[in-house]
Amino acid sequence: EPEVTQTPSHQVTQMGQEVILRCVPISNHLYFYWYRQILGQKVEFLVSFYNNEISEKSEIFDDQFSVERPDGSNFTLKIRSTKLEDSAMYFCASSGTVPNEKLFFGSGTQLSVL
Amino acid sequence: GESVGLHLPTLSVQEGDNSIINCAYSNSASDYFIWYKQESGKGPQFIIDIRSNMDKRQGQRVTVLLNKTVKHLSLQIAATQPGDSAVYFCALGTDKLIFGTGTRLQVFP
Repeated sequence: EPEVTQTPSHQVTQMGQEVILRCVPISNHLYFYWYRQILGQKVEFLVSFYNNEISEKSEIFDDQFSVERPDGSNFTLKIRSTKLEDSAMYFCASSGTVPNEKLFFGSGTQLSVL
Repeated sequence: GESVGLHLPTLSVQEGDNSIINCAYSNSASDYFIWYKQESGKGPQFIIDIRSNMDKRQGQRVTVLLNKTVKHLSLQIAATQPGDSAVYFCALGTDKLIFGTGTRLQVFP
């Protein structure tokens, strides 16, 4: 069964450092997303991406965040200068031909900012 | 704005019993609803979805019920198994998925 894969599974970084979280969405999917989940809390939307453009973004997704699809298979989330409050589990997701329906999620990257 | 919430943070059921997980929402304009299961250390896993033009949809051992009048969504799991132990989230689909707070389902023998 096709799946969304994310690397790394864990990332530890110092406050102020840049991090890049990587994702390989399901190959024939057209819509890509990043969500995050702070420990014990609900899953929060960050950004959606379609046709090489951001479709929607939340208030969380400020100027420190960016997304990119550098090639035909990868989808990345960059945080330019990490803050302590960026510590969370970051989930990549993708969906087929309809946005925001039947999203398939990866297993996540646990980001710890020290 | 939209809000999505679950009635119970925890639900404990005996193996073999049926489970019912409830969810309330506030946005009348929502036309798509979805249930996810999240096991420890994993990402949300799609279970079942339903559109607002339906009030019931069945999958394998799961049924989703939608009551638009009272803005209530429920997930029924038949013959609950230990492998069903997880956190269950409802979510609304608009221009993004809005997740509820989650109910932890605990299955005991």
